[in-house]
Amino acid sequence: GAVVSQHPSRVICKSGTSVKIECRSLDFQATTMFWYRQFPKKSLMLMATSNEGSKATYEQGVEKDKFLINHASLTLSTLTVTSAHPEDSSFYICSARDPRGSYEQYFGPGTRLTVT
Amino acid sequence: RKEVEQDPGPFNVPEGATVAFNCTYSNSASQSFFWYRQDCRKEPKLLMSVYSSGNEDGRFTAQLNRASQYISLLIRDSKLSDSATYLCVVNIRGSNYKLTFGKGTLLTVNP
Repeated sequence: GAVVSQHPSRVICKSGTSVKIECRSLDFQATTMFWYRQFPKKSLMLMATSNEGSKATYEQGVEKDKFLINHASLTLSTLTVTSAHPEDSSFYICSARDPRGSYEQYFGPGTRLTVT
Repeated sequence: RKEVEQDPGPFNVPEGATVAFNCTYSNSASQSFFWYRQDCRKEPKLLMSVYSSGNEDGRFTAQLNRASQYISLLIRDSKLSDSATYLCVVNIRGSNYKLTFGKGTLLTVNP
């Protein structure tokens, strides 16, 4: 299957700081990427759809000014958690759709964010 | 009613057992179906797509019944490495490629 990388894999930051997470599709061009969040023992929750060259589409209840998404190229989307708080501590996972395929998505390895 | 519902589990089975996962979806506009597996503290990985004709990949068999809006996954001769959470996933027509996930069923295969 297609390969998606994510960086960093783990980050610890202080409350009030911002953290940027990168998601890259390594062997295909992804016009659409997705950002999810997963709390321990809970389901994946879609936060937003990242569209190359246009604004992201956020799910209901997700603050777009807090979770900034930029999809400036066909292989890179970034999620910036601004003014992070301890309740933002979670597992953030991106995925990308390979346009050569169908509707399946390939996931990055995730970023574990801890806000102290 | 949840869009995608799965057996709540958890399932604990011995090595070599056959185990079946069931999933139902409520939106008749669902058009593509998948099983993913997710290991503890890892990302989901695509296990297989599910087609109307049913499909098999080694020890794994997936079935789709559109009339009943039901999807299944059968694992034969289960291995210790099959221990994971199995996620039933659908794409709904018109959702801009978004996937809708079930809550997952945890499988533990014991020696």
